[in-house]
Amino acid sequence: AQTVTQSQPEMSVQEAETVTLSCTYDTSESDYYLFWYKQPPSRQMILVIRQEAYKQQNATENRFSVNFQKAAKSFSLKISDSQLGDAAMYFCAYSPPSISNFGNEKLTFGTGTRLTIIP
Amino acid sequence: SQTIHQWPATLVQPVGSPLSLECTVEGTSNPNLYWYRQAAGRGLQLLFYSVGIGQISSEVPQNLSASRPQDRQFILSSKKLLLSDSGFYLCAYAPDSNQPQHFGDGTRLSIL
Repeated sequence: AQTVTQSQPEMSVQEAETVTLSCTYDTSESDYYLFWYKQPPSRQMILVIRQEAYKQQNATENRFSVNFQKAAKSFSLKISDSQLGDAAMYFCAYSPPSISNFGNEKLTFGTGTRLTIIP
Repeated sequence: SQTIHQWPATLVQPVGSPLSLECTVEGTSNPNLYWYRQAAGRGLQLLFYSVGIGQISSEVPQNLSASRPQDRQFILSSKKLLLSDSGFYLCAYAPDSNQPQHFGDGTRLSIL
C-alpha cells in the first residue's frame, strides 16, 4: 500500500520569507501523481499544486513550487514571499496511475504540516 | 458556477444511533464524488468514491456505507454509529477525472 509521510507537524516562517515543507512517499509504481493541498482555518481543502511523476520538470504555481526527487521519493513544497494568507494546514497527497490524465480516483494523504506566518 | 454543499456542519450523536450525511453538487453533470474522513491529527482517508449513479467503490472496511441516489447527490450512512466513527467528514467532487477535486466545508461528527 502507498504511504505518504510529512515529518514536520508544524512550521513557522517570517512574512515575506521562504519556507519549504517536506513530504516523502512510498510506492512501487513508476507513474503516479503528487499533490499539495492547503486547508485554511475555514477547513475547506484547496488544491495548491500538482506534479506528474513522468515529468522531470518541477511544477510551479506563482509563489508555490515543488522539488520533486523521484529516486528519493521526495516531494517538497516551497513557498516564496510568504503571506499571512498562506497560514494553513498543508497536506501532501499521492494518487496511483489512473484511467485519466489527472490521477483523481484515489488520493492518499499525509498527516499534514501546520504552517504559521509570523508578521 | 459549480458549488458543493455538505450538511450538517456539526453533528453530535449517541453510540448506536443511525447516521446520514448529505452532499450535493451544482453546476456540473455526472461528477466523480468522494467521501473522506479526517481523524484528529491525521490526514484525510478516502472512504468511498463514485464515478456514476449506483457506482460506489469502498476503500476501507468499516461501519459506514455510501449511496448515490441521484447524479449529484452523495450520501454517507451508518445503521449504528461507533465511538470510532467520530471525526471530520469531507465530501469532494471532480467534474471529471481530468479535473482537480473540490471539497465541501465538512461535517464535524462527535459520538457520545
